[in-house]
Amino acid sequence: KNQVEQSPQSLIILEGKNCTLQCNYTVSPFSNLRWYKQDTGRGPVSLTIMTFSENTKSNGRYTATLDADTKQSSLHITASQLSDSASYICVVSARNSGGGADGLTFGKGTHLIIQP
Amino acid sequence: GAVVSQHPSWVICKSGTSVKIECRSLDFQATTMFWYRQFPKQSLMLMATSNEGSKATYEQGVEKDKFLINHASLTLSTLTVTSAHPEDSSFYICSARPAGANYGYTFGSGTRLTVV
Repeated sequence: KNQVEQSPQSLIILEGKNCTLQCNYTVSPFSNLRWYKQDTGRGPVSLTIMTFSENTKSNGRYTATLDADTKQSSLHITASQLSDSASYICVVSARNSGGGADGLTFGKGTHLIIQP
Repeated sequence: GAVVSQHPSWVICKSGTSVKIECRSLDFQATTMFWYRQFPKQSLMLMATSNEGSKATYEQGVEKDKFLINHASLTLSTLTVTSAHPEDSSFYICSARPAGANYGYTFGSGTRLTVV
């Protein structure tokens, strides 16, 4: 069964500090992995997307890593800001028989709170 | 970038009435759209996959007669919650994939449904 596990479930850090969120998956065959930011009461917004051959990708203060061998990914947030308070969701896609991505598996997310 | 508009952003309705939620792809054609529901502090749960011009595919446990999905054009999918009950209160989110894209999912901003 395809699964995506995220840790920690919640995290509180002070403004300006860095943090790293973890994502482990068992989705197979793997197509791609995405990190989304979801503000309360809003839809998810894409931060990064990585395929099998990519092991790091940055988007401003967000840097995602992917180890396809160990099936682990991390999202590192640098110099956190109050606006970073949100849920961060790891989503993994399985490759379908036609070669394209199909069947998203969602993690439960990490609820991040940035305190002033 | 790809934009998905979801309307309304929130709605309150009485038990027994029906509510329609719209999901539009504004700057691309979407052959496939997805509908999710999300309970507080939970991950997104896929309800159904709708393909333009054909019947939607519902996930196990989702009542197709209660959650009517119509995908009549390449830019519009609708979800109608029929005979709504308080337990249908949730956050509903759609996502769309551009025609021909293997992994370009964009999410709508979500609809908060409250049934009283």
